[in-house]
Amino acid sequence: GAVVSQHPSWVICKSGTSVKIECRSLDFQATTMFWYRQFPKQSLMLMATSNEGSKATYEQGVEKDKFLINHASLTLSTLTVTSAHPEDSSFYICSARVRPEVPEQYFGPGTRLTVT
Amino acid sequence: GQNIDQPTEMTATEGAIVQINCTYQTSGFNGLFWYQQHAGEAPTFLSYNVLDGLEEKGRFSSFLSRSKGYSYLLLKELQMKDSASYLCAVRDSNYQLIWGAGTKLIIKP
Repeated sequence: GAVVSQHPSWVICKSGTSVKIECRSLDFQATTMFWYRQFPKQSLMLMATSNEGSKATYEQGVEKDKFLINHASLTLSTLTVTSAHPEDSSFYICSARVRPEVPEQYFGPGTRLTVT
Repeated sequence: GQNIDQPTEMTATEGAIVQINCTYQTSGFNGLFWYQQHAGEAPTFLSYNVLDGLEEKGRFSSFLSRSKGYSYLLLKELQMKDSASYLCAVRDSNYQLIWGAGTKLIIKP
């Protein structure tokens, strides 16, 4: 149990276009989902926290108009990178949590984004 | 500010034992996690400590001392597949995970 999927697993797009990444909890309902970004040889950087049915909370320095997050249901959250630039190329990982009292976060397999 | 420190890189020999330390300073404490991350993959959960002491799970054990703001992950009988980054993360008073930069563990035959 506790499987989180991400789609696509990798994507190449041209500068200026938008890319949508989906994160799904397959066998549980996730009240909270997290979006991380990881550059090569660096640790995870939390971008935003989204709770189902409410607006996402963005970390300092993350542009909410550039990284649009929608957590429309208890099993799906999406991250849209708008007007992508080469510096947005990174490994994007989502994780899901059932509720705060349950300690573990379940991670998706990640999406590698390359912007040319 | 909030801070988690762990060594950047460690090297160990196959079959040996290695201890990866993690020290933390956070606003509140609601548990400490260890995750394993192979290159190009997402992290996978290894352990969770919220009370002081040692938690053993097969070849991996994790220790916590809340008064010292200190944890370690102990890996026994090292295998080549254990070569990975090991991430220490602390959950603060807001139930947010604060991540360390990770320790890259290199296993040599």
